[in-house]
Parts: sequence; structure tokens; C-alpha cells
Amino acid sequence: GAVVSQHPSWVICKSGTSVKIECRSLDFQATTMFWYRQFPKQSLMLMATSNEGSKATYEQGVEKDKFLINHASLTLSTLTVTSAHPEDSSFYICSARDLINEQFFGPGTRLTVL
Amino acid sequence: DAKTTQPTSMDCAEGRAANLPCNHSTISGNEYVYWYRQIHSQGPQYIIHGLKNNETNEMASLIITEDRKSSTLILPHATLRDTAVYYCIVRVAPSNQGGKLIFGQGTELSVKP
Repeated sequence: GAVVSQHPSWVICKSGTSVKIECRSLDFQATTMFWYRQFPKQSLMLMATSNEGSKATYEQGVEKDKFLINHASLTLSTLTVTSAHPEDSSFYICSARDLINEQFFGPGTRLTVL
Repeated sequence: DAKTTQPTSMDCAEGRAANLPCNHSTISGNEYVYWYRQIHSQGPQYIIHGLKNNETNEMASLIITEDRKSSTLILPHATLRDTAVYYCIVRVAPSNQGGKLIFGQGTELSVKP
């Protein structure tokens, strides 16, 4: 099946720094990618939808200036958490949609902000 | 997209069938029923999906009622590795690029020896 990777798998950073998470579709082209966030014991929450070559669409309540999304190619989307704070600590999961619009998920990135 | 309702948790004995129910009473005619599962600290894994006919693959079977207001995911011979949170999601057809996967709370399935 289709494979989606994320890098890094985990990251620890100091409060106030920015962190970039990469999401790659390894064996298919993805015109659309999605970013989710998951807090402990909770379900996945959709943050934003990114389309290759255009601006991301953010869900209500998600700050677009804090969570910068770039989808520069058909196989790569990045999420940058700017000026991270401890409350941004979470499990970030990306998902990529293939050309027949099925959706595949990455393994997730665990972000811990000290 | 229509909302789904699932039990919060279920237990199942190893080797027995696990039957996970899902209610989606407001499902509309162009919406599919999808099932994903998430093993602890991993990304969600696709299991199966269907529109109105029952479906079966190597992982599971999906039974959808005739009125499409509910469905059941069946894991025929549960193993300890099937312990996970199972999500039932209703979304528009894959051919519709506007469809998004919105996750509810899911069912935490514990398979016990």
C-alpha cells in the first residue's frame, strides 16, 4: 500500500523556538495533504488541509500564523510550529491523499516543548 | 459529513470475533462508511470502507444495515495485536475531493488472552 513518512518521529525543543515537521508521500503523488493534532487520550483533530502550490486551508480555531504549512511539491508538505510553547506539545500526524482520493497516514511526530 | 456514535470501549477474548458497532443515522446517500484503527502512538491505519453492500477484505468484514443508519466492523479472529482504538468515519465519496476524514472518539478495543 501507499506509504507516508514523517520526520522527525520525535522532537524536544525549548519554549520560544520553531520546529519544522516534514511529511512525505514515498510512492505516490499527493495533491492534497492533511495535518492533524492529537493530545493524550483524545482523538485526532484536523488542523489544516494543504494543496500543492496553494495556501493551506485551516480549520476553525487553528492559528495560521502559528502553524505554517508549506506544500511545495507533490510529495512533500511541511508544518512549522512557530514560537512553540508547552501547550503545543502534542502528537502531530499528517495524511496524504492519492490520485484516486484515498487517504493514507504517516506514523506521527511527537513534539515536546520544554 | 455525518456524525458517528461508537461505544467508548469494548473487550474481546483472543481468538474470538470482535464486533464493533457504529451508528450513523444522519448519513446521506453519497457518503461512505470508513473504518480506521490507531494502535498506541502510531498513525491511523485504514481497515475497510463501504457504501451500502457488505464488504470483506483480509483484515475485516463490514456489515452495513439496509437503511445505512448503522454498521458493524467484524474482526473474525481477534489477536492481541488488534488492541487499538477503532474509528468509524462517514465521508463523501473518494471521487469527491472535498471530502475530509473527521475523527470522532472511537472505540478502544482491548483483546485479552
